[in-house]
Order: sequence, then structure tokens, then C-alpha cells
Amino acid sequence: DGGITQSPKYLFRKEGQNVTLSCEQNLNHDAMYWYRQDPGQGLRLIYYSQIVNDFQKGDIAEGYSVSREKKESFPLTVTSAQKNPTAFYLCASSRLLGVDSPLHFGNGTRLTVT
Amino acid sequence: AQRVTQPEKLLSVFKGAPVELKCNYSYSGSPELFWYVQYSRQRLQLLLRHISRESIKGFTADLNKGETSFHLKKPFAQEEDSAMYYCLTVNNAGNMLTFGGGTRLMVKP
Repeated sequence: DGGITQSPKYLFRKEGQNVTLSCEQNLNHDAMYWYRQDPGQGLRLIYYSQIVNDFQKGDIAEGYSVSREKKESFPLTVTSAQKNPTAFYLCASSRLLGVDSPLHFGNGTRLTVT
Repeated sequence: AQRVTQPEKLLSVFKGAPVELKCNYSYSGSPELFWYVQYSRQRLQLLLRHISRESIKGFTADLNKGETSFHLKKPFAQEEDSAMYYCLTVNNAGNMLTFGGGTRLMVKP
């Protein structure tokens, strides 16, 4: 059963700590994405990766870092430099980067930083 | 800059009534437009895209370039249509995606 797995579902951290959110897909998709959702706002793109060992900044990359060492995995690190880290984070993938490949989404991780 | 506006955060209709979820966009070019839906306790999934001009679950959406709108419509709403709906624009290269704020549709019995 192919899909995208994000873990954990809920994550709590103290201010000043880095935290890494996991995203794994077994759909053999080349492109992967990280979005952030805040109340009253749409999904905003943090980072995306077109292919292994390549990634690009999205609209709100400051305070975040990613890696793409394996095709299946695209972990997101929320660093202490991110001013408002508490949010719902959504990972997605698509077969290719482009409009012909629909996005597939994970179930999301809710991060709370106190 | 790309911008997508869904003016209604919540839309409540009775079963059998027509429904229209509004989406307006601003984009300097010809973006692709999509509607995504998230049902309760399920993940976000593609509902339809404008270039396919298809009807999914009775929903249709017509791209109006003059009004820069891509409203989602269904003539007779069903209770199972209750969900969160997101409008999305994507540039041709696929590296600029902009979601609207979402509209929660509630279909009452």
C-alpha cells in the first residue's frame, strides 16, 4: 500500500531546540515538498526537492533546513532560528516536479514549541 | 507574486442545494489550477484540475481568465461533500505552488 508517512503526529519541543520532522514515501516519486499551515492562512511552501541530493527554498525557508539523501526520505529540521515554529507541517510528493503530476500528501505533523 | 483567495472560510448549505466555492487568483502568466479536498480524518487529495475539464463527484470548475476565477460548483450538495476545500495555482515549471486559505463546506441534512 503506497503512500507518504509523516511522523510523529504530534511533537512538542522547548524553545531553542532544533527538531526534525520525518517524511517517507514509497511511491517512487522524484519530487517532495514541505508545507506549513497556520490558522487563517493557506498552505505555504517551505522547501521542495526535485530529485535526490537537490532541494530548493520555497516561500518561507528561513529557519528551516532539509536534506534529500535518499529518494524516499525528505526530513525537515525546524531550527531555533525559526521565530514562530508552532504550526501544522504537511509533507507531499509528486512523480515529477510539474503540473502533470498531482500532489500526494501525508497526514501532517503538529509541532508545538513552548 | 502569485496569490490565491478563497473569500469564504465557511460555507454552510442544506442537502440538495447548489454549492459554489469561490477561488480568485492573481498570476502574471497562465497557471494551472487545481482543487484539493480533505475529508474528515483523511489526507488532502486532488479533486480536479482545470485542464482536464472533468467532473469529479459531481463537482466542476471552470477557469474564467477574464475574472481570474476558478470557482468550484456542484448543483446538488450531498452530506458526504462536507470537507475542507483548497484552491491551488501552479506555474508551468511546477516550482511555484500557491494554496488558497481553504473553505470548509458543511452540508446539513
